[in-house]
Amino acid sequence: NAGVMQNPRHLVRRRGQEARLRCSPMKGHSHVYWYRQLPEEGLKFMVYLQKENIIDESGMPKERFSAEFPKEGPSILRIQQVVRGDSAAYFCASSTGENQPQHFGDGTRLSIL
Amino acid sequence: GQQLNQSPQSMFIQEGEDVSMNCTSSSIFNTWLWYKQDPGEGPVLLIALYKAGELTSNGRLTAQFGITRKDSFLNISASIPSDVGIYFCAGPTNSGYALNFGKGTSLLVTP
Repeated sequence: NAGVMQNPRHLVRRRGQEARLRCSPMKGHSHVYWYRQLPEEGLKFMVYLQKENIIDESGMPKERFSAEFPKEGPSILRIQQVVRGDSAAYFCASSTGENQPQHFGDGTRLSIL
Repeated sequence: GQQLNQSPQSMFIQEGEDVSMNCTSSSIFNTWLWYKQDPGEGPVLLIALYKAGELTSNGRLTAQFGITRKDSFLNISASIPSDVGIYFCAGPTNSGYALNFGKGTSLLVTP
């Protein structure tokens, strides 16, 4: 399966802990996007990255959230000091270019106790 | 921001029936995308539309890019149980790359 790979599929954290979500884009894709989905809602854009660069993080909360896409390895979405409101499904998408179709992974479902 | 309104919110139909759903926007889009999401999975791209008036098919699915560039519809012919899922329309935000999603149309198909 050469699709977008996300792990873990499910993540449970207690309030105050850190959550790290990983995304490996499709082969040949160098553009990565992170989205968040609340129950019965559409996906909301968070951040857009290319290798080693954050292009647009306008959809990401200013505090506690960060993202990176290093030269080697997967893209990481990091949430520090999680709170109950962070519970959601987090999806990663990748594309070959800025205006090219985005292909999504199966998401990480984050639950905060 | 650009609002995408999908209707209906949900549909409950019998196998074999045709289905139609639409998406309207408060502003003009240059691209319309239709995705399907199955429970526990990510959205899968069904059809991409790039030109006003464009009509594109993918098997039993047909989608059209409205002439006003503010709407799009998706038709599914002869529905089958595996068509069950949530259908989302999406279009690029003003940035050109981030996608704006509607809230989805939930489709249930009974055998």
